[in-house]
Amino acid sequence: GQQVMQIPQYQHVQEGEDFTTYCNSSTTLSNIQWYKQRPGGHPVFLIQLVKSGEVKKQKRLTFQFGEAKKNSSLHITATQTTDVGTYFCAGLNNQAGTALIFGKGTTLSVSS
Amino acid sequence: NAGVTQTPKFQVLKTGQSMTLQCAQDMNHEYMSWYRQDPGMGLRLIHYSVGAGITDQGEVPNGYNVSRSTTEDFPLRLLSAAPSQTSVYFCASSYSTPGGAMNTEAFFGQGTRLTVV
Repeated sequence: GQQVMQIPQYQHVQEGEDFTTYCNSSTTLSNIQWYKQRPGGHPVFLIQLVKSGEVKKQKRLTFQFGEAKKNSSLHITATQTTDVGTYFCAGLNNQAGTALIFGKGTTLSVSS
Repeated sequence: NAGVTQTPKFQVLKTGQSMTLQCAQDMNHEYMSWYRQDPGMGLRLIHYSVGAGITDQGEVPNGYNVSRSTTEDFPLRLLSAAPSQTSVYFCASSYSTPGGAMNTEAFFGQGTRLTVV
């Protein structure tokens, strides 16, 4: 079945450093979504990418969708303590089914 | 709008007991799903539904039942609780395409923390 792999599992950075998490799918995706979960909270939607090679920015966050629509990345520039949490990618393959499959997430910690 | 509401927030069960985790949404979303979250395992799909009367299995359906009699509600039933079902359970909902595929952001409930002893 469809699998979504995400690396790294954990990342610790000093405040002000950059951070990147990568997501790879075993199948071609219809779209990919990114979520953030704060400690003790629930996943909250960040963005959805649909087009091959798409790049979207939200302030210090940059999201990319690969040309083959099988990989994606989230890059945070100049991390802040408010960026702490777990970032999940979630892939959707509309042709293979209707379920959203999550990666295992990257947990980011930031020290000031 | 309340969004996605899950009850209870916390629950302790004894092995072998049964219970129902409730999930309700007031956004008229067709697509609803249940995930469990365990340390280091991410969010794993248990069951999902593309509309009232329609349900399907996800990655880890064993030991769980669901039904979708209304658009608003999607309860998850644990038939005979086991310690391996100790987890945090999240319900999510979304709009879907005419074909039933989830196509937009998923809204998550606050979660139910379940412990089976």
